[in-house]
Amino acid sequence: AQSVTQLDSHVSVSEGTPVLLRCNYSSSYSPSLFWYVQHPNKGLQLLLKYTSAATLVKGINGFEAEFKKSETSFHLTKPSAHMSDAAEYFCVLTNFGNEKLTFGTGTRLTIIP
Amino acid sequence: EAGVAQSPRYKIIEKRQSVAFWCNPISGHATLYWYQQILGQGPKLLIQFQNNGVVDDSQLPKDRFSAERLKGVDSTLKIQPAKLEDSAVYLCASSLWGYGYTFGSGTRLTVV
Repeated sequence: AQSVTQLDSHVSVSEGTPVLLRCNYSSSYSPSLFWYVQHPNKGLQLLLKYTSAATLVKGINGFEAEFKKSETSFHLTKPSAHMSDAAEYFCVLTNFGNEKLTFGTGTRLTIIP
Repeated sequence: EAGVAQSPRYKIIEKRQSVAFWCNPISGHATLYWYQQILGQGPKLLIQFQNNGVVDDSQLPKDRFSAERLKGVDSTLKIQPAKLEDSAVYLCASSLWGYGYTFGSGTRLTVV
């Protein structure tokens, strides 16, 4: 069985400060991991993905995530938050071969002006 | 490249009525998914197709939900009869061998 746990349901940061959204996973096989962002009334947009290449993955809009197998984590970071980053973020897991996506429950990011 | 197309964008129906949603995936994507996203929750997989065959429908409430993907291209998801708890956003996604999952904008269903 595979699962994803997003450790914070809501994160608030001030504009210009760092962002950290935490994700832990459980998988019996080597996972592929993704971060998606969902702005209000919009579809899901892929931020970045890890597929067993480099453990530090860079995505769009200045986001990056580091795959740590020993900690079973895939935390999302950004050095400096922007107002436009306010959205819901989902950590997603899949195992190559079955193509089934398992979503975390989401983290709502609020940016304080 | 065109994205995943879904229609309608919004639908309001009364309970016990029926409703259908349509999805056209990215050309060449063999795998198509339907997800249900209830407000405040992450998307939950309803059904996964590989070409025109069903790979996983274990979480599809088959007494009221049905889905088909004729000719392995576009797909229709139907609910009959609808219940209040079916109010959600229904997302369609497609992928090519586990890479490049792309989601549509979704259909927001309100059952009153």
